[in-house]
Amino acid sequence: NFMLTQPHSVSESPGKTVTISCTRSSGSIASNYVQWYQQRPGSSPTTVIYEDNQRPSGVPDRFSGSIDSSSNSASLTISGLKTEDEADYYCQSYDSSNRGVFGGGTKLTVL
Amino acid sequence: EVQLVESGGGLVQPGRSLRLSCAASGFSFDYYAMHWVRQAPGKGLEWVSVIDWNSGTIGYADSVKGRFTISRDNAKNSLYLQMNSLRPEDTAFYYCAKNIRATVVRGLIPDYWGQGTLVTVSS
Repeated sequence: NFMLTQPHSVSESPGKTVTISCTRSSGSIASNYVQWYQQRPGSSPTTVIYEDNQRPSGVPDRFSGSIDSSSNSASLTISGLKTEDEADYYCQSYDSSNRGVFGGGTKLTVL
Repeated sequence: EVQLVESGGGLVQPGRSLRLSCAASGFSFDYYAMHWVRQAPGKGLEWVSVIDWNSGTIGYADSVKGRFTISRDNAKNSLYLQMNSLRPEDTAFYYCAKNIRATVVRGLIPDYWGQGTLVTVSS
């Protein structure tokens, strides 16, 4: 099985752009779709990006996802940061044996 | 509106069993695979198990394989997780989540999540 590694925390100012990385330890990042979930304190997760770069309806286009085969990583980029974006963000993928994998999560602080 | 409501959590002693349920509404339950995902208090998300639309494909995390059993009853729009031989490290909020598709052939992709039920394993 593989691991997904995320930075423990990131911080940025309102109105700026932040990127959160998610690096796959083995196997190609492009082999399986990557999803991103937002979890605010005391709430359950919600999907902000699925299938690498698809945005569910209702998620603002300030949120975007991408993958980079050269670094074997996925990224979540949030532009025009708002204080309401402050939350934990998790990347997720899966393997060929029908097992899901989550990254350790990144705490985003908007200050 | 998709709704997923978990129940069955509580305090249980190590080595005992517990059965979680998830009641689904607002979508055609039998058209989608379903997941269980857990989160220890103050910790990150951990994927636990998946079952496809007709129970033909099932997957488990190594940490629960052989102890937990996922099942579903499409007639009752319900998902279950039978947890045996519980350990203190199983203490967590347990979320059920809907998959984006009926099968997992094109990916294990949770999209909607319930509010979770807390399982505490302690003597």
